[in-house]
Amino acid sequence: QSVLTQPPSVSGTPGQTVTISCSGSSSNIGGNTVNWYQHLPGTAPKLLIYSNNQWPSGVPDRFSGSKSGTSASLAISGLQSDDEADYYCAAWDDSLTGQVFGTGTKVTVL
Amino acid sequence: QVQLVHSGAEVKKPGASVKVSCKASGYTFTSHGISWVRQAPGQGLEWMGWISPYKGNINYAQKFQGRVTMTTDTSTSTAFMELRSLRSDDTAVYYCARHKLGSHAFDVWGQGTMVTVSS
Repeated sequence: QSVLTQPPSVSGTPGQTVTISCSGSSSNIGGNTVNWYQHLPGTAPKLLIYSNNQWPSGVPDRFSGSKSGTSASLAISGLQSDDEADYYCAAWDDSLTGQVFGTGTKVTVL
Repeated sequence: QVQLVHSGAEVKKPGASVKVSCKASGYTFTSHGISWVRQAPGQGLEWMGWISPYKGNINYAQKFQGRVTMTTDTSTSTAFMELRSLRSDDTAVYYCARHKLGSHAFDVWGQGTMVTVSS
């Protein structure tokens, strides 16, 4: 029962830009930073964006994050076939005193 | 290089317990928190709780309170997660993940341990 809501799927053609939304509340996104993860089946999840819009070392700047109020978004520009994966937002929730993940979004490259 | 290596897959019967280990290397184990996250088949990621290897502070997700125990052994740089009273819906891949310094972001993940609960 995720408290962060994401669209189940988004798709795009190579080179396009796709955006994934993440909707929360004042107890999570509204008051804390958002992180984004990429998860390929059978592998460990990978940190893509932390603290709303920061890149870990080695992550290309084709991935960008933003936050406004109780929502956040991840944009993937210059879409590539390797970007096909599941993407999750996450944030600390002050009411639950725990980390919460989004429902997950499957990105398909057409 | 920095890595987290899990123990092997487990098959358990309903009602049993499982203890998964996660051995850290390539960094100072006590400097970073460790969280446990699971993913059931066809489902999303679910945070179970975290532990500070330095201070021993622990925070469990409400859903798992009373059924999970997280510990660390600083002498071997290993984190452990024990889940009791297993049910079929506990069948999942269990991951340990390192906290990025000063944040709740998880910057290094283990490869995961598949736990299957079946009679």
